[in-house]
Amino acid sequence: AQKITQTQPGMFVQEKEAVTLDCTYDTSDPSYGLFWYKQPSSGEMIFLIYQGSYDQQNATEGRYSLNFQKARKSANLVISASQLGDSAMYFCAMSLGGNKLVFGAGTILRVKS
Amino acid sequence: GAGVSQSPSNKVTEKGKDVELRCDPISGHTALYWYRQSLGQGLEFLIYFQGNSAPDKSGLPSDRFSAERTGGSVSTLTIQRTQQEDSAVYLCASSLVVGGPNYGYTFGSGTRLTVV
Repeated sequence: AQKITQTQPGMFVQEKEAVTLDCTYDTSDPSYGLFWYKQPSSGEMIFLIYQGSYDQQNATEGRYSLNFQKARKSANLVISASQLGDSAMYFCAMSLGGNKLVFGAGTILRVKS
Repeated sequence: GAGVSQSPSNKVTEKGKDVELRCDPISGHTALYWYRQSLGQGLEFLIYFQGNSAPDKSGLPSDRFSAERTGGSVSTLTIQRTQQEDSAVYLCASSLVVGGPNYGYTFGSGTRLTVV
């Protein structure tokens, strides 16, 4: 069965430091997509970054990068130069054939000033 | 519209009543999804519509839950005989491309349902 695991319920990071949020996944399908979403306290789900299973390079979007290690089935999110506005819940998700997303339980990130 | 629109934003209902939640996806998006998020939890898949294909209802938790999508656009999620455990935020999302490169689904702001 497809499954996403986020082992860090909560993380703290000092402002301007980098932080890594862990995500591992389980699937036997060779074709899949991996996503990260941010959910601030307002509740909206904000798409951050996408990595396809056949992509050769790690995805990057501004201060966000995805450390994709296919053999280890991990897709960690790295946020560089953390800002106070990065405090939120972060979800890792996986899609198979684009039909639906399976979400992890999430990690709460708190950025300290 | 510019984004995915959900209504109402908040709904308080008495146990045993029926409720209808509405989702208006981004114009032209062929795929529409409903998810449920209980307090402090991740998102639970409920149902997925793609074009004129039969919906994927595999995530609906019981036969009290149903959804339809009229004209390939607006969707309504109906919960009959609501129970307290139905209290959650119900999120709708839509996407243009199914399969292949995917730049993320667009979520609505959700409907917070409280069953008292």
